[in-house]
Amino acid sequence: GDQVEQSPSALSLHEGTDSALRCNFTTTMRSVQWFRQNSRGSLISLFYLASGTKENGRLKSAFDSKERRYSTLHIRDAQLEDSGTYFCAAEAGYQNFYFGKGTSLTVIP
Amino acid sequence: EAAVTQSPRNKVAVTGGKVTLSCNQTNNHNNMYWYRQDTGHGLRLIHYSYGAGSTEKGDIPDGYKASRPSQENFSLILELATPSQTSVYFCASGQQGSDYTFGSGTRLLVI
Repeated sequence: GDQVEQSPSALSLHEGTDSALRCNFTTTMRSVQWFRQNSRGSLISLFYLASGTKENGRLKSAFDSKERRYSTLHIRDAQLEDSGTYFCAAEAGYQNFYFGKGTSLTVIP
Repeated sequence: EAAVTQSPRNKVAVTGGKVTLSCNQTNNHNNMYWYRQDTGHGLRLIHYSYGAGSTEKGDIPDGYKASRPSQENFSLILELATPSQTSVYFCASGQQGSDYTFGSGTRLLVI
């Protein structure tokens, strides 16, 4: 069964607005990664977290340090170049990451 | 610059034929992975490796073999390709405590 559930599956944002993507895990996870897949299909690593939060520009990610059962990705002041599909991947065993099905994000002018 | 390079970028194969997808990494990572990406499924793990000479089955290994002859190279082998194996295949390298680096993907069409 699916160990990683991503929500929402699709999202439209107006430029300049904020939003959050979420991943829920069916079991306790060791770490989480977030990726963005661009229109050419390339997968770009955004964050790797074993706990706590990380921030990079307008993106911020958090990994629930207590129960380790969910992670979030916050997008602040959305820009057109943020459009793409966002995936989270969670590590259950040693360095084996299970991917969610992705959130398709469209930023509208 | 450290990278993961996949070849070929695109491949058309006939049903029943043998297909080999290659992956090379210059990250000096111990771990390497093969995923396939299909609409509605996200990325699913086929095989992975912890180092030269090791291969492990992922979630969907049936119909695939893997080979890790060196730290840098990890191949995915389809001995008898089927149309259901038409997909986009991604290779990645990784290390404990750090993120994955993905290759650019291989589009495989089996006719």
